[in-house]
Amino acid sequence: DTGVSQDPRHKITKRGQNVTFRCDPISEHNRLYWYRQTLGQGPEFLTYFQNEAQLEKSRLLSDRFSAERPKGSFSTLEIQRTEQGDSAMYLCASSPPSGGNFNEQFFGPGTRLTVL
Amino acid sequence: GQNIDQPTEMTATEGAIVQINCTYQTSGFNGLFWYQQHAGEAPTFLSYNVLDGLEEKGRFSSFLSRSKGYSYLLLKELQMKDSASYLCAVRDYTDGATNKLIFGTGTLLAVQP
Repeated sequence: DTGVSQDPRHKITKRGQNVTFRCDPISEHNRLYWYRQTLGQGPEFLTYFQNEAQLEKSRLLSDRFSAERPKGSFSTLEIQRTEQGDSAMYLCASSPPSGGNFNEQFFGPGTRLTVL
Repeated sequence: GQNIDQPTEMTATEGAIVQINCTYQTSGFNGLFWYQQHAGEAPTFLSYNVLDGLEEKGRFSSFLSRSKGYSYLLLKELQMKDSASYLCAVRDYTDGATNKLIFGTGTLLAVQP
């Protein structure tokens, strides 16, 4: 399968613990995005990388959240001191280098986080 | 600001046609996407519009009017497997953003026999 992959698929943690999620984009895709989705809502943008550079970060992303993409390939999203409000599906998406306006984003299966 | 509105739920009958509307307000519009999302799964791409008009793709069509800030997704010959949430998303260049998508809350479509 050559789609976007995410690991783990599910994570249950206790409030106050740190968690880290990984995303592997489609191999030729230099653009990578993180979104968060809660039940009954659409995905909310969190952050965007072009290659290894983090070019945009949502105001929704508190200082407990950090994302990296050190070599311009896989990315990690870390949440420190988790809170119950962090419980959500964390989606990763990737898109190819800009080739016109289309630039479809391909989504991974997501990591479902439950904070107890 | 940015705002995307779509109905929360719709019900339709197998074999029928359904139209899901989406209205949006954004200062930096650069394309509108429709995604399908089955429960517990990732969104999958359905269609993209950046110019006014209708884009047809098999049983699915999408229409855009930029002057009205309006789009719809048309699903024909509905099948039970079309039961899913349909997400309208706008690519927005406001605040210097280059690629982020702003999603609506999604329309949960239930197809009944």
